[in-house]
Amino acid sequence: EAQVTQNPRYLITVTGKKLTVTCSQNMNHEYMSWYRQDPGLGLRQIYYSMNVEVTDKGDVPEGYKVSRKEKRNFPLILESPSPNQTSLYFCASCRQSGSPLHFGNGTRLTVT
Amino acid sequence: GENVEQHPSTLSVQEGDSAVIKCTYSDSASNYFPWYKQELGKRPQLIIDIRSNVGEKKDQRIAVTLNKTAKHFSLHITETQPEDSAVYFCADYTIAGGTSYGKLTFGQGTILTVHP
Repeated sequence: EAQVTQNPRYLITVTGKKLTVTCSQNMNHEYMSWYRQDPGLGLRQIYYSMNVEVTDKGDVPEGYKVSRKEKRNFPLILESPSPNQTSLYFCASCRQSGSPLHFGNGTRLTVT
Repeated sequence: GENVEQHPSTLSVQEGDSAVIKCTYSDSASNYFPWYKQELGKRPQLIIDIRSNVGEKKDQRIAVTLNKTAKHFSLHITETQPEDSAVYFCADYTIAGGTSYGKLTFGQGTILTVHP
C-alpha cells in the first residue's frame, strides 16, 4: 500500500531532550516536507526537500533540523525541544513539487 | 511571502444544504489550488484540486471555482451530509522567489459542521 509512515504517533518529552520524528514514504516521491498544525494557524511548513541531499527552510524552521540521505526517509530532528514546539506534526510527500501531497498520520508532540 | 486567507473559520449547516468556503491569495503567479479535508484525529486528504488554466472543476457533490482576476477560489459542497463534517484547508502553489522550486501555502482552515 502506498503510504507515508510517521513514528511515533504520540510523544511526550521534556525541555531540552533531543528527539527525532521519523518519516518514510514508499512511493518513490522526490519531494518531501514537514508541517506543523496549530489551532487557527493552519498547516505551516517547517522544512522541505526537493530530492536526496537537497533541503531548504520553510516558513517556521527555527528549532528544527532535517536530513535527506535517502529518497524514502526524511526525519525531523529537534535538538533542544521547547514548550512552544508542542504541536501536531505532519510529514508529506509528492511525486514532484506542485503535484498532490500525501500526508502521514501525524505525530502529536508535547514538550513540558 | 505568499499569503492565503480562508473564510469562514467555522461553518455550520443543516444536512442537505450547500456549503461554500472561500480563499484569497496574494501571488498572481500561483498556478495550483488544492483542497484538503481533515477528519477529526486524521491526516489531511486531497479532495479536489484545480490548475490556473481552468475556471471550474466538479467531482460529484464538490466543486471548486477559480477567479484569477480577483485572486480567489472557492470550495462548494452541495447536498451536505453529516460525514462531510471536518476541517477543510485550501492551499495555493507558488514558485519560491529566485528559485525553480515551488511551495504550497495553506489557509487557516474551516471547521464545517453538518447537522442531521
